Formats: sequence, structure tokens, C-alpha cells
Amino acid sequence: ETGVTQSPTHLIKTRGQQVTLRCSSQSGHNTVSWYQQALGQGPQFIFQYYREEENGRGNFPPRFSGLQFPNYSSELNVNALELDDSALYLCASSQGPSSTDTQYFGPGTRLTVL
Amino acid sequence: KNEVEQSPQNLTAQEGEFITINCSYSVGISALHWLQQHPGGGIVSLFMLSSGKKKHGRLIATINIQEKHSSLHITASHPRDSAVYICAVFGAGGTSYGKLTFGQGTILTVHP
Repeated sequence: ETGVTQSPTHLIKTRGQQVTLRCSSQSGHNTVSWYQQALGQGPQFIFQYYREEENGRGNFPPRFSGLQFPNYSSELNVNALELDDSALYLCASSQGPSSTDTQYFGPGTRLTVL
Repeated sequence: KNEVEQSPQNLTAQEGEFITINCSYSVGISALHWLQQHPGGGIVSLFMLSSGKKKHGRLIATINIQEKHSSLHITASHPRDSAVYICAVFGAGGTSYGKLTFGQGTILTVHP
């Protein structure tokens, strides 16, 4: 158990819809990172939030957006869903954004887009 | 070519065998992480390395910064070690700066 939780566990949406995924970080962790993991692939970095501000972004279009709240929770929002968005979405929290800060991963949300 | 390459992609071993998983990367890094992912998705951080070697129980991780290469070793492997092992690097510059880039993972199966 890492102390990081995600909801929902599974989600099915149709193309064009919008989705919000939620993550609850460990208490005291001011940094959260979001990753997309397609089947059979390693995770890919979507973006990171540090003290409620975006602190880096991977190669994902603007329809992927996020929020981080003062209570250690965060959201990943995806608009205009596409079939290729079907994946496991992982969040990871850490004490800070440094490369030496251990990231604690949540169990993931499996999103299926039909 | 991916920035982080792992080998082998699949590895099958008998219980008790010594296992090595390799990771090569092509970008400058500030740290390298080894992660373990069990079926169902949960990821656990095993090691964070910026130089040298670390040991935790039956697991040993090494890194050679000059050669841009890291290895994860498992001594006396056990069926409960069966999982996907992922190497991830924290970029130190360029387009990789400040983000974790992951390898594809190595699927390890240890038979009793």
C-alpha cells in the first residue's frame, strides 16, 4: 500500500465524451504526476503538478488537463475522448518535484473508450 | 529509437536462478528508477539511483553513468518475483528535462 488512491478503478466512455479521473496523494506530498500506460507499454508522462501549478508536461494535447487541490487531491481531465485514449492512467505523488524524490504510485484507473 | 531500452522484453526463469534485467538510455539523466508492476497495475518503486550500486534484500541495482546503462539483479529468484520490471530515467536536459521517461518493461516469470 502506497497511500495513494485513485478513482474510479474502471471506466467505460464513448468517443467524444469527457472524463475526470481522481487521485488522492499521500498526506504532505505537494507534487503529483500523471501517466498514461497503454497495454503492453511502459507509462508515458502526461504532466506534473507542484503546489497546484503545472510543473512540466509531456507530449500530450491540450485536451488533457489537470488540477491539483490544497487537500492533496488532484484531477486529470480528458476532453473529446478518442479510441487511442484507452489505457491505464496512473498518478504518483512525491514530497517534491526533484528527481531524487521517490514517487508513490496509485493503483490506476483503467479507461476504455468505445 | 526509444530513449530508454530494456532487455530482455520477456524472461522466464526457474526458482532459485540469478536474474539480470538491463536498461540502456540515450539522454542525460539526473536519476534512474527501477519499478515493479504487478498484474492489475500497481507500481512500486524499488530503487532510485544516481550512481554506483544499491542493495535491498535479494535485489541489487547498479548504474554506470558513463556507459548510460543500469542493471537490476535478483538473486535466488522466487515465483513471487514474477512481475513487470520497468526502468525509468529522470531527464537532466533538453526535451527530457524534469520528467520520467519509462522503458517498455521486462516481463519476468519465475516457475517453481
